[in-house]
Parts: sequence; C-alpha cells; structure tokens
Amino acid sequence: EVQLVESGGNLVQPGGSLSLSCAVSGLPFSNFWMSWVRQAPGKGLEWVATIKEDGSEEHYVDSVKGRFTVSRDNAKNSLYLQMSSLRAEDTAVYYCARDHKEGPWDVWGQGTTVIVSS
Amino acid sequence: SYDLTQPFSVSVALGQAATVTCGGDNIGRKIVHWYQQKPGQVPVLVIYGDYKRPSGIPERFSGSNSGNRATLTISRAQAGDEADYYCHVWDNRSAFFGTGTKVTVL
Repeated sequence: EVQLVESGGNLVQPGGSLSLSCAVSGLPFSNFWMSWVRQAPGKGLEWVATIKEDGSEEHYVDSVKGRFTVSRDNAKNSLYLQMSSLRAEDTAVYYCARDHKEGPWDVWGQGTTVIVSS
Repeated sequence: SYDLTQPFSVSVALGQAATVTCGGDNIGRKIVHWYQQKPGQVPVLVIYGDYKRPSGIPERFSGSNSGNRATLTISRAQAGDEADYYCHVWDNRSAFFGTGTKVTVL
C-alpha cells in the first residue's frame, strides 16, 4: 500500500521556523519527483515546491523563494520542507504529493497543519 | 505567473451532465490535470493529460482541452460527485491551480 505521511506541523510565531517531513512507503521513492502543495483555510490549492528524483533540481512558488527549502533523503524515503521567516499567510495544510511522470500529483498524503500566529 | 480561471460554482441535476471550465491563455497548448476535493478530504486526481482517467475513476469523468479553455465533464452526475474541482497546469517549471469550482448536485 502506498503511503505518504506528513509530520511536523505546528503553531509557530511570525518570523519563526518549522520543518516538515513526509515519510513515503509502498513506492520506489527515488524514482519520482516529489512536491509540496498547501491549502490555506477555506482557500484553494497552491503549489509550494518540487524536487527532482535525485535532489539535484528544485523549484518554488515565488512567495516562498528564499524562505523555504525542499530536500529529500532517498535512503530514508523521506521528503522535507524547511520553512523560515514564516508569515501569517503561510498558514495552511501542507500536503506532500508524488509527481506522476506525466505531470499531475497522483498520490497525496493526509496533510499537516501549519499555523503562523502570535 | 499563469492565471487559470474557473467558475465559482456549478449546479447540476442528479443524473445530468456537469461542465467545469478552466480558462487560461492558450491553455490548449498546455497539459491540464483535474482534482476532486471533498470537504475535509485530500485532493484526488480525476483527469490527467487533458483527458486520461486514473485507475478507479469512473468513466463518467472526462476531459478536453483546446484554445483558451479546458473542460471537465461529469456525465450522469451523482450525489457523491459533490466536491470542489481544481484544474492544474505546469508552465515554465512552475505549477498553477485554477481558482476552484464547487459542484453541487441538486
């Protein structure tokens, strides 16, 4: 069974940092690009970041560039999102998702909640 | 940036067809994917590559893409199809979602 399990979500003050993890099982993790997608309360979906299979390439939405870093450890079948200089507008459920070879995200985790508030 | 515009809501009678549009500049030249998200649940891919259905998605779901509009069609709509639907494209190594459409089955 394919499973993506996010963790690390928490309440954090503006300007603070937080690290999210996504543990992947049931699929050949190192063969796939992986992404983070977020959803603010009551809002639509927003792509955050994507990383290549071997970690050699990363892409980010403009609003998080310079503040967020996506990484992966293929030996541990894990995806990470290091977030710093957090803002209230970063408050959201963060999902990790597998990139299908044709472009969509076909497997999603259950999400982890990040709340940025004082 | 690449803007994708969807109608805020679409209503459809039970058993009839619902059409959800996704407008974007020359979107017909891009590859469009569609997700269904029910309240409190994780998004589910329902159409990828403009018209392909993932395993397990009913044939009632279909997609097309041409010109400045991509379309998701739900034929013979069922109560269980009530959800938010989002289109998604990649453009220059960035991903963009549509604004989302709430489909209500009457």
